[in-house]
Amino acid sequence: EVQLVESGGGLVQPGASLKLSCVASGFTFSDYWMSWVRQTPGKTMEWIGDIKYDGSYTNYAPSLKNRFTISRDNAKSTLYLQMSNVRSEDTATYYCTRVGYYSSSVDYWGQGVMVTVSS
Amino acid sequence: DIQMTQSPASLSASLGETVTIECRASEDIYNGLAWYQQKPGKSPQLLIYNANSLHTGVPSRFSGSGSGTQYSLKINSLQSEDVASYFCQQYYDYPYTFGAGTKLELK
Repeated sequence: EVQLVESGGGLVQPGASLKLSCVASGFTFSDYWMSWVRQTPGKTMEWIGDIKYDGSYTNYAPSLKNRFTISRDNAKSTLYLQMSNVRSEDTATYYCTRVGYYSSSVDYWGQGVMVTVSS
Repeated sequence: DIQMTQSPASLSASLGETVTIECRASEDIYNGLAWYQQKPGKSPQLLIYNANSLHTGVPSRFSGSGSGTQYSLKINSLQSEDVASYFCQQYYDYPYTFGAGTKLELK
């Protein structure tokens, strides 16, 4: 069974940094592109970015690429999202997601982790 | 960025009814489209990918169609467990973008 378990969320002050982690199980992590997607409290979905199966290539939403970094450790089957200089508009539920093998849709989602940016 | 316009924003339907949700892309996305279902308090789940391919384990009452810039999700014989929000997403071009969602309720 595919499982994606995020951690690292919580309350963070504006301007601070935060690193989210996602441990994957139930599949060969190093075979798959992975991505992060967030959902605002108003339910808007936003694609953050993705990373190639070997970690050699990343893509980002232009509005986030200067502050967010996606990385992975295939030996630990773990995906990361480093967030810096966070803003109130970064308040959202962050989902770790697996990119499908036969298409670039998201075929599995984690349970999500909440990040609240507030002073 | 490719804009995804999803309609309607909300929908009320009766059990057994057929429901259609639509997404229009701001440019041709060559069937690079997925549909997701999100039940209240849960993570989204993939229903349809490549515009018309049913994801593993998804009931056959769900179907996707369309081409170019116009796509639709159809739910035949609506069941109570289909009460959820539905999102489309284009993955033809970066950055991938989502529709605003459709909230489906029972009448």
